[in-house]
Amino acid sequence: DAGVTQSPTHLIKTRGQQVTLRCSPISGHKSVSWYQQVLGQGPQFIFQYYEKEERGRGNFPDRFSARQFPNYSSELNVNALLLGDSALYLCASSFPTRNTEAFFGQGTRLTVV
Amino acid sequence: AQSVTQPDIHITVSEGASLELRCNYSYGATPYLFWYVQSPGQGLQLLLKYFSGDTLVQGIKGFEAEFKRSQSSFNLRKPSVHWSDAAEYFCAVGASDNAGNMLTFGGGTRLMVKP
Repeated sequence: DAGVTQSPTHLIKTRGQQVTLRCSPISGHKSVSWYQQVLGQGPQFIFQYYEKEERGRGNFPDRFSARQFPNYSSELNVNALLLGDSALYLCASSFPTRNTEAFFGQGTRLTVV
Repeated sequence: AQSVTQPDIHITVSEGASLELRCNYSYGATPYLFWYVQSPGQGLQLLLKYFSGDTLVQGIKGFEAEFKRSQSSFNLRKPSVHWSDAAEYFCAVGASDNAGNMLTFGGGTRLMVKP
């Protein structure tokens, strides 16, 4: 079975540009979450989506947005990129119930120059 | 607000020695707790999880963790470390209304294994 897949794996952008990251959840998983992991730190929660609706949002500026599609895949968009947005962006999927675990993709490494 | 503290940023152990990684959490209700492992440049792999019941939980790769409510701790242990265990380890607590998918992570502990 395919795990959580993310694309692209690596990305280099210039300050001020916009970026879109993509995530396909495990088959049968309807909940998708995004995390930002700056080098040397633990992942930080950005968004959770279920049934195309935002169910949770972390402490991130409005430059960060996301959406979920009918097939449960998701996109994370970041506008007006800053150097500090350089990080590994992780997507996780799970069943939208209690007592469940999140399965993580390999991440997208974003470098802003 | 929930939080997780991993007091040890780096730990070095000899291969074959025992290991304990510390995790302390702050959470208002019954926590859902997780340990994940991350190899360089990779995603996160779940080692074990605690939702309720037996406070000693077994995970993959010979790891176990013990939930101690009185100490707000969820320490990870392994009786004999292998060189392949060298990685970054993250403790996390999950939000109670949708456990497992809105996680607060600690800062991580980097484990190095000496031959």
